[in-house]
Amino acid sequence: AQSVAQPEDQVNVAEGNPLTVKCTYSVSGNPYLFWYVQYPNRGLQFLLKYITGDNLVKGSYGFEAEFNKSQTSFHLKKPSALVSDSALYFCAVRDENYGQNFVFGPGTRLSVLP
Amino acid sequence: GAGVSQTPSNKVTEKGKYVELRCDPISGHTALYWYRQSLGQGPEFLIYFQGTGAADDSGLPNDRFFAVRPEGSVSTLKIQRTERGDSAVYLCASSLGNEDTEAFFGQGTRLTVV
Repeated sequence: AQSVAQPEDQVNVAEGNPLTVKCTYSVSGNPYLFWYVQYPNRGLQFLLKYITGDNLVKGSYGFEAEFNKSQTSFHLKKPSALVSDSALYFCAVRDENYGQNFVFGPGTRLSVLP
Repeated sequence: GAGVSQTPSNKVTEKGKYVELRCDPISGHTALYWYRQSLGQGPEFLIYFQGTGAADDSGLPNDRFFAVRPEGSVSTLKIQRTERGDSAVYLCASSLGNEDTEAFFGQGTRLTVV
């Protein structure tokens, strides 16, 4: 069965600095990987996805993520953090061998300090 | 362009009562998902519909939980004999139903069992 780990509960970064939110996954087949963001009292908003092709994918609000098959990772990155990026971030995986449901990680709280 | 709509946004019920939570997916989306999110945790998969049928209900915790999607659009999650442990945010999502497509989430229904 598929699983997702987000090793950091909390990430703090200063505004203007680059940010990284880590994600590793485990699947039996090829992975489909997703990042979502959740603001307080809001639903999850889709940021970006990796399906196939270029390992570096770009998404909404200047975010990007790099797929690394050998390390089974899909870390979320942004070159310059904004205070408004402060939120809860979830990595999710879908395993091509296990149907259509998404398996989510536990989430990482990002705090961007002014 | 309406997104996924969930009603009610908040529901307080007494232990032992029956509740129904409604989800209106994005028009044209054939896939519909229900997830449950407890405080400080990632979304936990409950059930997935493709059209009118439940393609995967492996996440339903026990037989008190049931969901329907009779016409392939609106879905209702039904919880019988509610328990305090059922308190959580119930999230609904929809997608085009292909393997490589992301899901779009509603704002959720916060269920509190007292």
